[in-house]
Amino acid sequence: QQQVKQSPQSLIVQKGGISIINCAYENTAFDYFPWYQQFPGKGPALLIAIRPDVSEKKEGRFTISFNKSAKQFSLHIMDSQPGDSATYFCAASMANSGYALNFGKGTSLLVTP
Amino acid sequence: DAGITQSPRHKVTETGTPVTLRCHQTENHRYMYWYRQDPGHGLRLIHYSYGVKDTDKGEVSDGYSVSRSKTEDFLLTLESATSSQTSVYFCAISESGLVDAGELFFGEGSRLTVL
Repeated sequence: QQQVKQSPQSLIVQKGGISIINCAYENTAFDYFPWYQQFPGKGPALLIAIRPDVSEKKEGRFTISFNKSAKQFSLHIMDSQPGDSATYFCAASMANSGYALNFGKGTSLLVTP
Repeated sequence: DAGITQSPRHKVTETGTPVTLRCHQTENHRYMYWYRQDPGHGLRLIHYSYGVKDTDKGEVSDGYSVSRSKTEDFLLTLESATSSQTSVYFCAISESGLVDAGELFFGEGSRLTVL
């Protein structure tokens, strides 16, 4: 069964707006929560990641918010740009499964000019 | 960019034929992974390796086998390809367990079509 649930499936945001993608997980053994960005024809690439000992991490326009008690985490893209148009995947992993990532189903983001 | 090469990048084959996809890395990373990506399913783990000759199954391992005889190479084999194995296959590598634990680096993908 899918261990990480992601929403929405698709998102359209105007340039300059805020894009928000949400994920939820069940397994409390997960200890690493990354977000990956994927452009058509390319492999996914790490965007930003967080560990459960912090509630927020910010890198430039990208912020992860993490709620351990609710088992939820989200990606916020501030001042969204057309170049941010891509598919975004949340994921989770733990040490005792070879650090393999369990991915959400992805969110297709379109930022309109 | 992480030194990961997948081959072939594109392949069309017929149902029932064997297929082997190769992942080659130049980073000397311990962990290697094979994922498949399908519309509406995201990326799903097929098999992974945590060292030479050490492998384990992932979420969707049925119909696939893997081998890792050298640190740099991880092979994914479809013994008898089926149409349901039409997909884009991604190899990933990681040096998790050390200081920068967690990040997986992905290859460019191999698109397989089974007719």
